Amino acid sequence: DTGVSQNPRHKITKRGQNVTFRCDPISEHNRLYWYRQTLGQGPEFLTYFQNEAQLEKSRLLSDRFSAERPKGSFSTLEIQRTEQGDSAMYLCASSGAGLYNEQFFGPGTRLTVL
Amino acid sequence: QKEVEQDPGPLSVPEGAIVSLNCTYSNSAFQYFMWYRQYSRKGPELLMYTYSSGNKEDGRFTAQVDKSSKYISLFIRDSQPSDSATYLCAMIRTGANSKLTFGKGITLSVRP
Repeated sequence: DTGVSQNPRHKITKRGQNVTFRCDPISEHNRLYWYRQTLGQGPEFLTYFQNEAQLEKSRLLSDRFSAERPKGSFSTLEIQRTEQGDSAMYLCASSGAGLYNEQFFGPGTRLTVL
Repeated sequence: QKEVEQDPGPLSVPEGAIVSLNCTYSNSAFQYFMWYRQYSRKGPELLMYTYSSGNKEDGRFTAQVDKSSKYISLFIRDSQPSDSATYLCAMIRTGANSKLTFGKGITLSVRP
C-alpha cells in the first residue's frame, strides 16, 4: 500500500495524559500537512512541513501541541496534557511540491479524551 | 462568519436523482477549488479540482465555479447508493502554502 498511513487509528486517553500520533506520507512527497476534524465539521489546518522544515502553524495549535518531521520523512504530532476539547480526528495529508498538487489524506487517528 | 460556508444537510435523495451541492466563500484570494468525498471513518479523497470559473465534468460529476459570485457547486447525475458519503468543498488561497480551507461538509444519502 503506497498511500498515507497513520498510527494509531484510535486512541483513548485520560485527561492530562500525553499522546503521540504518527504519519507516514507517500514516499516521494515533500509536503506534509496535519488537520483536525471534529464531529460535523470540515477539517481545519493545524500545521505544514516542507521536507523537515515546519513552515506554518495555525492559531489552533496551542503550546501543548508539537509536531516534528525528522529527516523529512514521517511526522509525529504530540499533544501534552490532553483536554476533553482535544477529542477529534487528526488527519495527515501529503503532496508534491508546486503551485498546486493534490493532497492525499490518511485514514486519520481518532482521539477520545475521557 | 467562516471563510467558506457550505449548505447545511443532511440530504437524502432517491437513486437516480440529480444532486446539487453548494458552497460560498468570502475571500477573493481563494483561487483553487476542490470537492472531497469522505466515507465514514475514512480520510477525505479528492473528487474534483478546478482553477478557473466555468464547468468541469468528470463522468457523473460536474464542478462549477463562479468567481464573480464567490460560489462553487458540485452536481452529481444519476446518483447511486455508493455516492452516500460526506461531501466537503475546499479551497486554497494563493501564497497560502497550499493549505486547504474546508467547508463544514454535507452528508448525502442516496436511497435505493
